[in-house]
Amino acid sequence: NAGVTQTPKFRILKIGQSMTLQCTQDMNHNYMYWYRQDPGMGLKLIYYSVGAGITDKGEVPNGYNVSRSTTEDFPLRLELAAPSQTSVYFCASSYLGQGADSPLHFGNGTRLTVT
Amino acid sequence: AQTVTQSQPEMSVQEAETVTLSCTYDTSESDYYLFWYKQPPSRQMILVIRQEAYKQQNATENRFSVNFQKAAKSFSLKISDSQLGDAAMYFCAYRSANFGNEKLTFGTGTRLTIIP
Repeated sequence: NAGVTQTPKFRILKIGQSMTLQCTQDMNHNYMYWYRQDPGMGLKLIYYSVGAGITDKGEVPNGYNVSRSTTEDFPLRLELAAPSQTSVYFCASSYLGQGADSPLHFGNGTRLTVT
Repeated sequence: AQTVTQSQPEMSVQEAETVTLSCTYDTSESDYYLFWYKQPPSRQMILVIRQEAYKQQNATENRFSVNFQKAAKSFSLKISDSQLGDAAMYFCAYRSANFGNEKLTFGTGTRLTIIP
């Protein structure tokens, strides 16, 4: 199993550009999450999904969009990038269900700089 | 909304000694999970230990153990026989056990330095 795979690892954007951060997991997890980590801070939830076709906002959703068309994939879209979106982005997944659950499995993160 | 507080931005410990990292949380729920995650310079998030709130027994994983005080809403991590590889950021996290509210809330982290 590859676990949670994020691409790219690094990216530099100009203000106003758009991009999609890719995330895929091969563990058949139903829950997937996107977090951002600002320097010296903990992780803040952007969006999450409890299954294919279902997404919901976290603490800091403004400026982002997500979709969950398959169980495996959970891309994060940045429209009109702003310097405030400079951060490290983590995708994570877990299985939560009746009588069984798993802790979060994290990808290795994407370092995004907006200049 | 739940909050998680780590009041120690930085800690240091001599190699082979014991160190305790503090975490408090605020919740009105009775059933939940608590976690400690480790983030080394590689940026990878690694689960260290997990505690279910309904279990009175403190979780232990090798050199890592927790002191879970449910009434005080405290969840500290004790690292025994500290090793150089333990140097990292440590994050405390809370997750509700209620269906539909299983988001993980993180504290701001404690940077642990191991002194050789």
